[in-house]
Amino acid sequence: QKEVEQNSGPLSVPEGAIASLNCTYSDRGSQSFFWYRQYSGKSPELIMFIYSNGDKEDGRFTAQLNKASQYVSLLIRDSQPSDSATYLCAVNSGGSNYKLTFGKGTLLTVNP
Amino acid sequence: DTAVSQTPKYLVTQMGNDKSIKCEQNLGHDTMYWYKQDSKKFLKIMFSYNNKELIINETVPNRFSPKSPDKAHLNLHINSLELGDSAVYFCASSRVGRENNEQFFGPGTRLTVL
Repeated sequence: QKEVEQNSGPLSVPEGAIASLNCTYSDRGSQSFFWYRQYSGKSPELIMFIYSNGDKEDGRFTAQLNKASQYVSLLIRDSQPSDSATYLCAVNSGGSNYKLTFGKGTLLTVNP
Repeated sequence: DTAVSQTPKYLVTQMGNDKSIKCEQNLGHDTMYWYKQDSKKFLKIMFSYNNKELIINETVPNRFSPKSPDKAHLNLHINSLELGDSAVYFCASSRVGRENNEQFFGPGTRLTVL
């Protein structure tokens, strides 16, 4: 069973702090890794993707990938109350570019 | 507006009924998907079509039948609805390349089976 594991949280951080969200995956053949943000009652929204080992930065967001450890993370710097949402990690799996397997998500709360 | 759209947004129906959900994307993507998100918020792939061809068919009861009349549309028909079908159904689309599969989601259809 190909799985994507996330700490369900809730993860609570104060405004202005760094939020760190973690994800591990079981399929060593996975090549593409995605972070989605989902506000309550809304659809998932793509915020970051990463394909290569190392860090990828986009504004306040940094994705980190370590394929040897089968680990991907998302750092949110200068967290804002508007960042409060569920963050979903998604990984392509089954040797297919078409299929994404999602983790169950981590609920992040940023306290003013 | 460029987007993935779904209709209806809400669907409330009785057990045993048959219902359909429609999805359209105008992003020029070649691949479309149906996902189910249950009450615990777990998002799970159901089906995927690439250029109108079924390429992913997860373990889904055969009461669920997708249909793709063209690359921009993917509909989902559900026969004999059951209580356990209550969930939010999301349509998504992407342009699949060698490495990437950035999927964009529609607003979702909240199905409630009474």
